[in-house]
Amino acid sequence: KAGVTQTPRYLIKTRGQQVTLSCSPISGHRSVSWYQQTPGQGLQFLFEYFSETQRNKGNFPGRFSGRQFSNSRSEMNVSTLELGDSALYLCASSSWGGSSYEQYFGPGTRLTVT
Amino acid sequence: GESVGLHLPTLSVQEGDNSIINCAYSNSASDYFIWYKQESGKGPQFIIDIRSNMDKRQGQRVTVLLNKTVKHLSLQIAATQPGDSAVYFCAESSTGGFKTIFGAGTRLFVKA
Repeated sequence: KAGVTQTPRYLIKTRGQQVTLSCSPISGHRSVSWYQQTPGQGLQFLFEYFSETQRNKGNFPGRFSGRQFSNSRSEMNVSTLELGDSALYLCASSSWGGSSYEQYFGPGTRLTVT
Repeated sequence: GESVGLHLPTLSVQEGDNSIINCAYSNSASDYFIWYKQESGKGPQFIIDIRSNMDKRQGQRVTVLLNKTVKHLSLQIAATQPGDSAVYFCAESSTGGFKTIFGAGTRLFVKA
């Protein structure tokens, strides 16, 4: 079974631009979560999508948005990029596995804002 | 606010020794706790989880202990190996909907 894939792996953008990141979950997984990882703030939850609906949301400004498609693939968008948005963006897919709600993470997209 | 924190940012152990990584959480409503391992250049990898109706759960070489009274979580790794060197995160969530709060992480160094 293929793992979670994220594209692109690396991205360099300029302040003020916008960016779209993509995540393909493990086949059969309907829940996709997004996280931002930085050295200073650690892993922070952005949002979670389940069956094309945002089910949970973290404490990020409205510049951060996402969506999920009918095939469970998900995208997240960051508009009006700021230097502080430089981070590793991780996507995780999950499916109830009976006794655990195990999340599988992708390798992440490394975003650098200059 | 919600937070999950770790007592020790770094831990250095001798190969073959047991490792204990501790974590404190603050949200009493969380009913599901997870430990992840993250190696350099990779996403976090699930290690073991525990639900709030349990105090202890064992896996292969790993044990998670949950003390709800003091909101404390620990990960024990038996016979630590060099391949265990990584950053370990505790996380809290709820089984009703998936918002996961991660701790700051503890870096484990295993000396050969």
